[in-house]
Amino acid sequence: EADIYQTPRYLVIGTGKKITLECSQTMGHDKMYWYQQDPGMELHLIHYSYGVNSTEKGDLSSESTVSRIRTEHFPLTLESARPSHTSQYLCASSYRGSSYNEQFFGPGTRLTVL
Amino acid sequence: AQTVTQSQPEMSVQEAETVTLSCTYDTSENNYYLFWYKQPPSRQMILVIRQEAYKQQNATENRFSVNFQKAAKSFSLKISDSQLGDTAMYFCAFMKASKLTFGTGTRLQVTL
Repeated sequence: EADIYQTPRYLVIGTGKKITLECSQTMGHDKMYWYQQDPGMELHLIHYSYGVNSTEKGDLSSESTVSRIRTEHFPLTLESARPSHTSQYLCASSYRGSSYNEQFFGPGTRLTVL
Repeated sequence: AQTVTQSQPEMSVQEAETVTLSCTYDTSENNYYLFWYKQPPSRQMILVIRQEAYKQQNATENRFSVNFQKAAKSFSLKISDSQLGDTAMYFCAFMKASKLTFGTGTRLQVTL
């Protein structure tokens, strides 16, 4: 399996709380991504970064925000969680020098907002 | 915008048999990549196989092979000699400019 980590793996939290989902990779990849996946459904890109201090919004609108201060770290923050944020969040990374741009995925964080 | 369609929400195959998962996509691009990813229950998403659009030769990886028909915008996955460990969700994905667009997935169950 790829060297990309996500914490926590599971999180149950009340409405209105601020949460940060952590994602780290040890492969030196310059590109990182966040996807949202509802159970049994496809993945939707919500944020991506092509390097330090670079972040962009993805195809699916999200109330979350991201930061990329270090190459290996790409946390996602929800300032005020709501039940509509309940989903699985997957982090991925890829290397610009790869001809395939293959993305390696983390194990995901399953978020439940009560 | 690209779209990816997987028309088989669920499939079942017996161990040691062969199964084919369908995928079609829509794009106006000429150069792109196509992928099949596997997501086992409660486990990490992993790459199964990839195909460059400019290559006519179909990609193969051990028991996994694709039938890539660029003109028809079709990219099916064939799994030969199915094993219990192949049980998973399989996602077809289109890549352009490092961004992936996924299909809705096919849940494959391998039975004894």
